[in-house]
Amino acid sequence: EAQVTQNPRYLITVTGKKLTVTCSQNMNHEYMSWYRQDPGLGLRQIYYSMNVEVTDKGDVPEGYKVSRKEKRNFPLILESPSPNQTSLYFCASSPWTGKDTQYFGPGTRLTVL
Amino acid sequence: GNSVTQMEGPVTLSEEAFLTINCTYTATGYPSLFWYVQYPGEGLQLLLKATKADDKGSNKGFEATYRKETTSFHLEKGSVQVSDSAVYFCALSHSNTGKLIFGQGTTLQVKP
Repeated sequence: EAQVTQNPRYLITVTGKKLTVTCSQNMNHEYMSWYRQDPGLGLRQIYYSMNVEVTDKGDVPEGYKVSRKEKRNFPLILESPSPNQTSLYFCASSPWTGKDTQYFGPGTRLTVL
Repeated sequence: GNSVTQMEGPVTLSEEAFLTINCTYTATGYPSLFWYVQYPGEGLQLLLKATKADDKGSNKGFEATYRKETTSFHLEKGSVQVSDSAVYFCALSHSNTGKLIFGQGTTLQVKP
């Protein structure tokens, strides 16, 4: 089944404790992206990647890192999480950039205490 | 800059009622327009899309027409069901970065 998977689905952590949220897609998509969803704000892009070893900042990149060492994986790293990073995170992928449909993972609900 | 504005919710309807969720956008050129749906506890799923002016996207009884003259992409359904209860997001994609720009989402609750 073609899908985007994320792990973990739920995470509660404390301020400053490094964490990684994994994202993997099995559709051989070139493009991958991370979004965060906050009430009243919709979804906002954090980082994106157009191909292996190519990443760039979205609208809200502060406090996050990403890497794209393999085509299928695009982990999101929070080196020192803070409470304002409490949010619902979505990974997405698409065949290419521009106006392609993006396919979303199930989401990771993160709480930083 | 590019932006999307949706009508505020929540929208509460009775089963079989007509649904309209308004969406307007601001963008230069010709963006692609999307409606995504988020069912409780799930990720976003593409509901429909349109890639150029006057295109009509449709799926599962939902429709939306890309209106460049009014910069709108309103979502409609003739007869909603309880199973349509979800959050609906209007979005546009315009640049080569692939970024989707979302509206704030509209919660729809359909009562039996």
